[in-house]
Amino acid sequence: DTGVSQDPRHKITKRGQNVTFRCDPISEHNRLYWYRQTLGQGPEFLTYFQNEAQLEKSRLLSDRFSAERPKGSFSTLEIQRTEQGDSAMYLCASSRGDLNTGELFFGEGSRLTVL
Amino acid sequence: DAKTTQPTSMDCAEGRAANLPCNHSTISGNEYVYWYRQIHSQGPQYIIHGLKNNETNEMASLIITEDRKSSTLILPHATLRDTAVYYCIVRDYGGYQKVTFGTGTKLQVIP
Repeated sequence: DTGVSQDPRHKITKRGQNVTFRCDPISEHNRLYWYRQTLGQGPEFLTYFQNEAQLEKSRLLSDRFSAERPKGSFSTLEIQRTEQGDSAMYLCASSRGDLNTGELFFGEGSRLTVL
Repeated sequence: DAKTTQPTSMDCAEGRAANLPCNHSTISGNEYVYWYRQIHSQGPQYIIHGLKNNETNEMASLIITEDRKSSTLILPHATLRDTAVYYCIVRDYGGYQKVTFGTGTKLQVIP
């Protein structure tokens, strides 16, 4: 059983650089979510895809952030011109739309450090 | 999502039952109670959910009061591996609705 996988697990970058994170959901899951988590806080919702369609975006997702899910399978989250405030854990989760038990399956996360 | 209130932290002796409370006084009739936990440096993990009846699975039990304004997650025999942040969430069942996390309860299981 392959769960949700995220890559890279850790990324250190300098302010102003662009970074991209990848998420591979569980294969039969058509719903995919991105969350951000800072130290001591619960995960904060960023965006949601059903298949390839991005159906909801949080106000937290500024213009520097873009997420895609081109073929309804894996997803990428890109942050342009990173700022120190972007330092956080970026979590991806997936779920089955036809069996919406409300259970989200999370990956291990991608930790971003912006210097 | 309706808001929930949880204690910031709790301790529990290893082998004893851990009872984690959650208040959700504004829960509506079609909203379920969900519990997730997050072990340090890992993604959140689903534990259990329920509407109004008590629920039990291999991980935990969920007790929901008759008025549904509060609930308790019970870990019957806490182990050191149960040390984690536990999140109580309410949301609609069915259709799409994002899961909104609060700050949860930090459970420390003590040897």
